[in-house]
Amino acid sequence: KAGVTQTPRYLIKTRGQQVTLSCSPISGHRSVSWYQQTPGQGLQFLFEYFSETQRNKGNFPGRFSGRQFSNSRSEMNVSTLELGDSALYLCASAPGTSKNIQYFGAGTRLSVL
Amino acid sequence: GQNIDQPTEMTATEGAIVQINCTYQTSGFNGLFWYQQHAGEAPTFLSYNVLDGLEEKGRFSSFLSRSKGYSYLLLKELQMKDSASYLCAVRDDSNYQLIWGAGTKLIIKP
Repeated sequence: KAGVTQTPRYLIKTRGQQVTLSCSPISGHRSVSWYQQTPGQGLQFLFEYFSETQRNKGNFPGRFSGRQFSNSRSEMNVSTLELGDSALYLCASAPGTSKNIQYFGAGTRLSVL
Repeated sequence: GQNIDQPTEMTATEGAIVQINCTYQTSGFNGLFWYQQHAGEAPTFLSYNVLDGLEEKGRFSSFLSRSKGYSYLLLKELQMKDSASYLCAVRDDSNYQLIWGAGTKLIIKP
């Protein structure tokens, strides 16, 4: 069974640009969560999608948005990039039921110059 | 408020045993998770506790006391490859969102 796939793995952008990150969950999983991780900050929750609906949202500005498609694949968009957006962005998929254990992708490392 | 506390860093010796503690204060509770994260890699799932008591899985065990808002991860027969960060997370049953601790960096010395 294939794991969670995130693309691209690395990305370099400049301030003011926008970026779209992609996440393909484990087959059969309906929940996709996005996290931002910076050194010393731990995992900061961005949002969770379940069956194409945003189920939970963290405390991030509106520049951060996401969506989920009917095949459960998810995208995250960040507009008007700032230097502070440089981070590892992790996607986690879960069945959406019962224990709902999250399984993480390898992440996209975004550098904003 | 929602809060999860873990020690920032711990050091242990190869072959020894180490216990990493996690205390939590959340508005609701629907399970506690432990993850391992090696530097530069994604977190990987280690254990899940929803009832009080000890869950054992090989060299790793996890304990939960819901009345005390307390969990620990016990690592036995430490190996160098166990050097990693260990993340504690609690699922809030009001919205099923995971609340994450900042992680404990475990350093294993020969």
